[in-house]
Amino acid sequence: AQSVTQPDIHITVSEGASLELRCNYSYGATPYLFWYVQSPGQGLQLLLKYFSGDTLVQGIKGFEAEFKRSQSSFNLRKPSVHWSDAAEYFCAVGANYGQNFVFGPGTRLSVLP
Amino acid sequence: GAGVSQSPRYKVAKRGQDVALRCDPISGHVSLFWYQQALGQGPEFLTYFQNEAQLDKSGLPSDRFFAERPEGSVSTLKIQRTQQEDSAVYLCASSLPSLIETQYFGPGTRLLVL
Repeated sequence: AQSVTQPDIHITVSEGASLELRCNYSYGATPYLFWYVQSPGQGLQLLLKYFSGDTLVQGIKGFEAEFKRSQSSFNLRKPSVHWSDAAEYFCAVGANYGQNFVFGPGTRLSVLP
Repeated sequence: GAGVSQSPRYKVAKRGQDVALRCDPISGHVSLFWYQQALGQGPEFLTYFQNEAQLDKSGLPSDRFFAERPEGSVSTLKIQRTQQEDSAVYLCASSLPSLIETQYFGPGTRLLVL
């Protein structure tokens, strides 16, 4: 069965600084990988997804993520954080529908002015 | 167009009461998912429908949890004899029928069992 770890529970960065959120997965085959963002009181919004091909994936709001098979990682990056990026970020891995779609525990991002 | 909607947004129940949570998916989305998100945790899969067929219910935590989607659109998640450990946010998502399609999430229903 798949599993996802997000080692950082909470990260604080200054506005304008760069950001990297870590995600490690465990799965026996090539995974489908996702990053979602959840703002307070809002539903989950997909930032980007990886299925195959180019290992550097561009998403919305200036985010990107890089799939590294050798490290079983799919880290999320943004070169310059905005105050509105403060939210909870979830990495997820999927193979088929159902119980095989697994979310990580999330990383809460705080942004200092 | 309209996104996924859920109602009620907040529900307070006394322990032992039955509750029903509603999900209206995006029109045309044949796949529908329910997730449970405990405080400070990521969402956990509960069940999945394709049209009216419930193809996977392996995530339902007990036989007190029941989901239906009788006409292949609106879905209801019912929890019987609620317990305090059922307190969580219940998220609904819908998508077109392919894993590569994005799951669109509703705002969730926050359930508090006293």
